[in-house]
Amino acid sequence: DVVMTQSPLSLPVTLGQPASISCRSSQSLLYSDGNTYLNWFQQRPGQSPRRLIYKVSNRDSGVPDRFSGSGSGTDFTLKISRVEAEDVGVYYCMQGTHWPFTFGPGTKVDIK
Amino acid sequence: EVQLVESGGGLVKPGGSLRLSCAASGFTFSNAWMSWVRQAPGKGLEWVGRIKSKTDGGTTDYAAPVKGRFIISRDDSKNTLYLQMNSLKTEDTAMYYCATGGVGTWGQGTLVTVSS
Repeated sequence: DVVMTQSPLSLPVTLGQPASISCRSSQSLLYSDGNTYLNWFQQRPGQSPRRLIYKVSNRDSGVPDRFSGSGSGTDFTLKISRVEAEDVGVYYCMQGTHWPFTFGPGTKVDIK
Repeated sequence: EVQLVESGGGLVKPGGSLRLSCAASGFTFSNAWMSWVRQAPGKGLEWVGRIKSKTDGGTTDYAAPVKGRFIISRDDSKNTLYLQMNSLKTEDTAMYYCATGGVGTWGQGTLVTVSS
């Protein structure tokens, strides 16, 4: 199975400051159709996961533009340009290229 | 609005069975690949399996921990996804979420507790 790793696992942030989460996969996530199926999810406390980003860098509808995704191959990054209080939660990367699809362990974001 | 509503969770003894349902609305369910994902208490997310649309063959894929014990099915006439869970183990205790194929939309989850 493809192993997804994230760093850091805990990220205390200051409101209004940027934040960045790294995600790495044990194999390339480039699929034969030319797409890279790397998603990012946010899970707020007590809520279901919500997809923020699909195929590396595409924001889902309703996702604030302070969230952005980048990367290729095996290295990916989620950036929050200015952290707001509502961004507190756990962030997961997920690969949808190789079955079984797999998630990273999650990065817990909270406010300093 | 796309909506997924899971039901059927509860407390079951080890070795027992349970069937979860996921009622879908707001999209053409018959065209959608659908998935089940679970989350043990205080833990991360884990794929359970997926089912393709009938036009894409209707086949299923399962993660290794549940293969041979869990069965995913669908009833397109009822816009409903199912997860039949057999030979349940304590480690199957989790919140179970259904999600659209691209995991763009998730339900609220239903809690399954396997305990004697």
